[in-house]
Formats: sequence, structure tokens, C-alpha cells
Amino acid sequence: GENVEQHPSTLSVQEGDSAVIKCTYSDSASNYFPWYKQELGKRPQLIIDIRSNVGEKKDQRIAVTLNKTAKHFSLHITETQPEDSAVYFCAASGGSYIPTFGRGTSLIVHP
Amino acid sequence: EADIYQTPRYLVIGTGKKITLECSQTMGHDKMYWYQQDPGMELHLIHYSYGVNSTEKGDLSSESTVSRIRTEHFPLTLESARPSHTSQYLCAAGQGGTEAFFGQGTRLTVV
Repeated sequence: GENVEQHPSTLSVQEGDSAVIKCTYSDSASNYFPWYKQELGKRPQLIIDIRSNVGEKKDQRIAVTLNKTAKHFSLHITETQPEDSAVYFCAASGGSYIPTFGRGTSLIVHP
Repeated sequence: EADIYQTPRYLVIGTGKKITLECSQTMGHDKMYWYQQDPGMELHLIHYSYGVNSTEKGDLSSESTVSRIRTEHFPLTLESARPSHTSQYLCAAGQGGTEAFFGQGTRLTVV
């Protein structure tokens, strides 16, 4: 089955800095890669996603890049703000349609 | 409004009791999932369903069972609750290969 590794487990940045979270996957059949943000006490919610036929996608301050050859994808957050503080999860899914999640990254943005 | 509803939100129960966690969705999605998550930690897949009358066990060994008699309903039952079952349980639904939508979760405490 699919295996998703996510790094780092904790990321601490100053407000205004950029943050990068990286994930690798094992199943070459995976073709959908979403990123979820989970604020304290709330449910995970999708913030951005990318499909295997695209190399990069942007939405305001967040972007995701995908390298299919190397089987890794990354989340980039620019100009971080305190409200970006949360746990972020990457995921991968393919033919089975069952999303496999990374272990999560706790992002802390210091004012 | 289309959403995923979980009840109860919080539950404290004694060891050995049988409990059912309810999950209903009004989105019409085929795929449904149950995850176990300690606060801010990794999402562990415990059960999933591809559609009506389909149920499968996930990666995390669990002493729970599920049923999928109707598209919109995916309850999880613990036959005999134990303190090790204390956790948050998240239900999710999706079309497969697209975003998974999560419910608000049930926080279970077994004393």
C-alpha cells in the first residue's frame, strides 16, 4: 500500500517568514495530493491540492509543488501570519481512492 | 447545508460498555472513512467504505465494527469500551480521488 512520509514534524517561524513542508510517497499510481490544515480543536480542512498532471499550483500565499519522478510534493506558505499556526497534513491517493495521510507538521508562527 | 454530522461530540463512558458513534453525510459521497486521532497527532485509518454494503478494515487494528446500510450513514460501534479507546474519532466522506470532508469529531473518554 501507499506510504507517505512528512517532514518536519514541528516548524517554528517568525511572522513574515516563509514555511516549507515536504512529503514523499511510495506508490507511483497515486495521482491526487491534497493538503489539509487542522486548527486546534477543529476538523481538518482542505487548503490546496494538486493532481499528477500538474507541477505547481498557487492560491494567494500558499503553493504546492509536485515532482512525480522523485515522488515528492511540498507545501509553501509565504508571508506567514499567526493565524497560519496549525497542524498541516499532506495526503496521497490513487486507484484505491483511500487517502493516506502523512504524520502531520505542527506550524508555529511567532508574532 | 451539505455537511458531515457526528454525534455525540463528547462522550464519557465506563469500561466494558457498548457504544455507537454516529456519522451522517448529506453530500451524497460514496466513500466514507473513520479515523482515530489523538489531538493534533497522526490520523489513523480504522475503517472505510466504498459504498452501500461495503466495509473494510484500515491500517490501525481496532476492536470496532462499522456498517453501511445507507449511503448517508456510517456508524462505528465499540462492543466493549476500554481506556485505550480514549481518543478523538473523525468521520470523513469523499468521492475518491478528490477532497475528503471531515466531520467535527467525537471525543471519547473511557474511564
